[in-house]
Amino acid sequence: KNEVEQSPQNLTAQEGEFITINCSYSVGISALHWLQQHPGGGIVSLFMLSSGKKKHGRLIATINIQEKHSSLHITASHPRDSAVYICAVRSTNTDKLIFGTGTRLQVFP
Amino acid sequence: NAGVTQTPKFQVLKTGQSMTLQCAQDMNHEYMSWYRQDPGMGLRLIHYSVGAGITDQGEVPNGYNVSRSTTEDFPLRLLSAAPSQTSVYFCASRGFYTEAFFGQGTRLTVV
Repeated sequence: KNEVEQSPQNLTAQEGEFITINCSYSVGISALHWLQQHPGGGIVSLFMLSSGKKKHGRLIATINIQEKHSSLHITASHPRDSAVYICAVRSTNTDKLIFGTGTRLQVFP
Repeated sequence: NAGVTQTPKFQVLKTGQSMTLQCAQDMNHEYMSWYRQDPGMGLRLIHYSVGAGITDQGEVPNGYNVSRSTTEDFPLRLLSAAPSQTSVYFCASRGFYTEAFFGQGTRLTVV
């Protein structure tokens, strides 16, 4: 079993829909990162959080430390949101990042 | 402020050839890492560094070498390329309490 699990693996949506991507982890962490990767593109950091909730534009990230779970929400989705979203945790044991395999999101007009 | 600069963007090597992937950051970050990204798998750590003069192996270090002579630079060397090293490579840097910043990636094909 992977230490960082994301669901779903693939997601399709119509423009305007509310999107939720989930991340569960099994190790102790000091921080959780949400990253975005467009097709053929580089990786961009969206959020780093260790508790509670953060919001940036139409993106919201939440984390529940007790349940070892985080969610990334996209409100009013747009085709330009089509990308792979990657969850990564910073292990308290090794101080290294452990990555999930990503969620591929496609938003259609 | 350029962030993380990684070169080249694309490279084709013949089996047995060597090459160096360059990575530089201008944010004075302590941590720098090299990852490879393969289909269906999460990013896997090759080598990392927590400061100038300090490097250590990650999850998949075989066939790769690194050095960190300055805070800014963290090159990755492929000693004798093999088809199994065909992948997309990412360099990343972060401070102790900062987000991670990634280079643009290098798509490497070994034939």
